[in-house]
Amino acid sequence: QQQVKQSPQSLIVQKGGISIINCAYENTAFDYFPWYQQFPGKGPALLIAIRPDVSEKKEGRFTISFNKSAKQFSLHIMDSQPGDSATYFCAASIGGASGSRLTFGEGTQLTVNP
Amino acid sequence: AAGVIQSPRHLIKEKRETATLKCYPIPRHDTVYWYQQGPGQDPQFLISFYEKMQSDKGSIPDRFSAQQFSDYHSELNMSSLELGDSALYFCASSPWDGANYGYTFGSGTRLTVV
Repeated sequence: QQQVKQSPQSLIVQKGGISIINCAYENTAFDYFPWYQQFPGKGPALLIAIRPDVSEKKEGRFTISFNKSAKQFSLHIMDSQPGDSATYFCAASIGGASGSRLTFGEGTQLTVNP
Repeated sequence: AAGVIQSPRHLIKEKRETATLKCYPIPRHDTVYWYQQGPGQDPQFLISFYEKMQSDKGSIPDRFSAQQFSDYHSELNMSSLELGDSALYFCASSPWDGANYGYTFGSGTRLTVV
């Protein structure tokens, strides 16, 4: 049973467009929600993270929107670039940013066409 | 900046053989995590260690064992290898009390069982 559900499975956008990836979770004990970017043959790299007491967090072109009542959160990538083409994973953990296991979503393969 | 170092990068083993994967965390990171990522799958948590003690255990087969040493490096030992063990194995590290820090993943070890 996938505790964190991610959609879409794949996404194609044009350069300069907005990429939106959505995640939903069931366990209300989750209190830390990071997004990871993974290139082929590489480990996941932390992009941005949010806690449930904040509804939105922005870092550069990346924004997380968080809806606690709906148990959903999403990643928006503004002005998408071909270099953003990668697999993106949402994740969740209980107990904060470290010391706790991460539960990942299924991943979204993003392709940004030039 | 120093990263999480994993060795070897690639490993080919035959069924029923034994494999040992090594992980060297970022200096001053006292917590190490192991994840398994099958082809096209999201990373699955195996086990974690804090200050050389097991801190959490996930879906790690009984054929696998791991430990963290006094210099904080960790080793994942895998015995009686099966074809289904072929995957990317990631190690990550963090400070235990890294409230706003999160994980740093290594580049992984690709294990192929033939």
